[in-house]
Amino acid sequence: KQEVTQIPAALSVPEGENLVLNCSFTDSAIYNLQWFRQDPGKGLTSLLLIQSSQREQTSGRLNASLDKSSGRSTLYSAASQPGDSATYLCAVGADSGGSNYKLTFGKGTLLTVNP
Amino acid sequence: GAGVSQSPSNKVTEKGKDVELRCDPISGHTALYWYRQSLGQGLEFLIYFQGNSAPDKSGLPSDRFSAERTGGSVSTLTIQRTQQEDSAVYLCASSLNNNEKLFFGSGTQLSVL
Repeated sequence: KQEVTQIPAALSVPEGENLVLNCSFTDSAIYNLQWFRQDPGKGLTSLLLIQSSQREQTSGRLNASLDKSSGRSTLYSAASQPGDSATYLCAVGADSGGSNYKLTFGKGTLLTVNP
Repeated sequence: GAGVSQSPSNKVTEKGKDVELRCDPISGHTALYWYRQSLGQGLEFLIYFQGNSAPDKSGLPSDRFSAERTGGSVSTLTIQRTQQEDSAVYLCASSLNNNEKLFFGSGTQLSVL
């Protein structure tokens, strides 16, 4: 059974600092990995999707890496801003049988960027 | 529509009542997912629809939970004889095809008193 872990559960950083958010997963047989952002009381917004054949993906200030063999992904953002404050969730996509695709989520990292 | 739409946004019900939650996915998206998010917990997979294939119901917690997707578009999640532990945010997501980026609705906050 796939397990996804995000440590730390909460992180507080000053504005301008670079961010590094970590995600680990137990089963390397994956299709892809997605990073999401969730603001309080809202649904999830997709940030990045990395296919299993890729090692890195970039969107704006965000960069995500994937090391499938070690079961790790890192979300990196330069020069954090107060507007980046949110919960960041990592989700691993894999075959759940019968060609069905299933995302297993971590519990997220609650990020606070202090002005 | 511009995104995934869920209704109602909030639902308060009494224990033992049935509830229906609705999801309108993005037009043309073949895959539709239901997840549940409880306070302090991660997202729990409930059910997945892909095109005309049989749905993956492996995440439904009990036989009180069921879901339909009519005409490959709108989906309804039904919870019968609600219990207090059913209280959570129910999130729906869709994607263009299998394995692709998911787009989430804002969710339905269900409170069972």
